[in-house]
Amino acid sequence: QQQVKQSPQSLIVQKGGISIINCAYENTAFDYFPWYQQFPGKGPALLIAIRPDVSEKKEGRFTISFNKSAKQFSLHIMDSQPGDSATYFCAASGGRGSTLGRLYFGRGTQLTVWP
Amino acid sequence: GAGVSQSPRYKVAKRGQDVALRCDPISGHVSLFWYQQALGQGPEFLTYFQNEAQLDKSGLPSDRFFAERPEGSVSTLKIQRTQQEDSAVYLCASSLATSGRGEQYFGPGTRLTVT
Repeated sequence: QQQVKQSPQSLIVQKGGISIINCAYENTAFDYFPWYQQFPGKGPALLIAIRPDVSEKKEGRFTISFNKSAKQFSLHIMDSQPGDSATYFCAASGGRGSTLGRLYFGRGTQLTVWP
Repeated sequence: GAGVSQSPRYKVAKRGQDVALRCDPISGHVSLFWYQQALGQGPEFLTYFQNEAQLDKSGLPSDRFFAERPEGSVSTLKIQRTQQEDSAVYLCASSLATSGRGEQYFGPGTRLTVT
């Protein structure tokens, strides 16, 4: 059972546009929600993360929006650039009775930004 | 180089062979995770170490998989009698937090191909 569901599977955006990737989770015990960026042949790199006590977090061009009641969170990439073309993964961790730091990943979104 | 390193980067094994994959975490990081990433999928948890103690091995897919971290630093993931379904990228991540919560830093991964 997929603990974190991610959409869309692929996304094509024009340079300068906004990229939006969505994730949903079921386990209300999750309390840490990171986004990772992965380039081909590389390991995932932490981009930005949020905890459920805030509804939004912004770092540069990247913003996480978090809706606790809907159990959803999303990544917004403003002014998307060709260098942002990569696969993006949402993830979640936390909860009792399990390894607290264990990350549950979504299936990934392949983002292509056209110049 | 302050990041997580993994070796070898690529490994080709014939079915039935044993393989050993190495992870060098960031110095001082207490927590160490192994994940398996199949082609086109998000990483999936395999096992977790806090220092030298393996606290969670619930993600290991079979008893052919074995991991160790004898001195609380370098870790080795061993796969015995490899099968074709073991072909994947094996990622190691380390974290400063004792519980493993918070930021996890990933290595570049080892791509295992079983022929």
